Amino acid sequence: EVQLQESGPGLVKPSQSLSLTCSVTGYSITSNYWGWIRKFPGNKMEWMGYISYSGSTSYNPSLKSRISITRDTSKNQFFLQLNSVTTEDTATYYCARRVYYYRLFDYWGQGVMVTVSS
Amino acid sequence: DVLMTQTPVSLPVSLGGQVSISCRSSQSLVHSDGNTYLHWYLQKPGQSPQLLIYRVSNRFSGVPDRFSGSGSGTDFTLKISRVEPEDLGVYYCLQSTHFPWTFGGGTKLELK
Repeated sequence: EVQLQESGPGLVKPSQSLSLTCSVTGYSITSNYWGWIRKFPGNKMEWMGYISYSGSTSYNPSLKSRISITRDTSKNQFFLQLNSVTTEDTATYYCARRVYYYRLFDYWGQGVMVTVSS
Repeated sequence: DVLMTQTPVSLPVSLGGQVSISCRSSQSLVHSDGNTYLHWYLQKPGQSPQLLIYRVSNRFSGVPDRFSGSGSGTDFTLKISRVEPEDLGVYYCLQSTHFPWTFGGGTKLELK
């Protein structure tokens, strides 16, 4: 069974970088696509970006200058880095598997809550 | 970006009842490949979102037939019949026809 687990600091200071790891078990990240989604306080959800089986990436234009998604295939992990964070980046961050053919996310991690505050 | 408008925001229901959630898009969700990429998710309290319906009307593996999706173009509906306690939570629609993918604002299904 595919399982994803996010990890990273729960508190980040404004103007610093947010770095999260998604560890995947039960499936190789060299297949399919792998994405990050966040949920803001108040329920709004935002697709942030994804990395493909080949390492190519695609980002939401609203974040394009601040976001980077990378991977370590030897550890079957992929990563999110979001630079120059503000309090508006406070959210619960989820990693998920994106199914290419159906253009959807089927398996999700449990999420990690990140607060941006000084 | 395609704006996804979900209504209602809050939906009180009695167990055993039937409800409908609407999701409307600011432009047609018919892709150039002919498919319509509109999906429904449920986020139960304390859990991550789970896929219920994909491409308008297809139930994901293990989803009971109490859940049904319909619609076309810009207007879509999720119906839940014989509501059970495990159906409570926040429902989201997601469009993946247009870049960037966008979610509806969510509908909270709660007990009356």
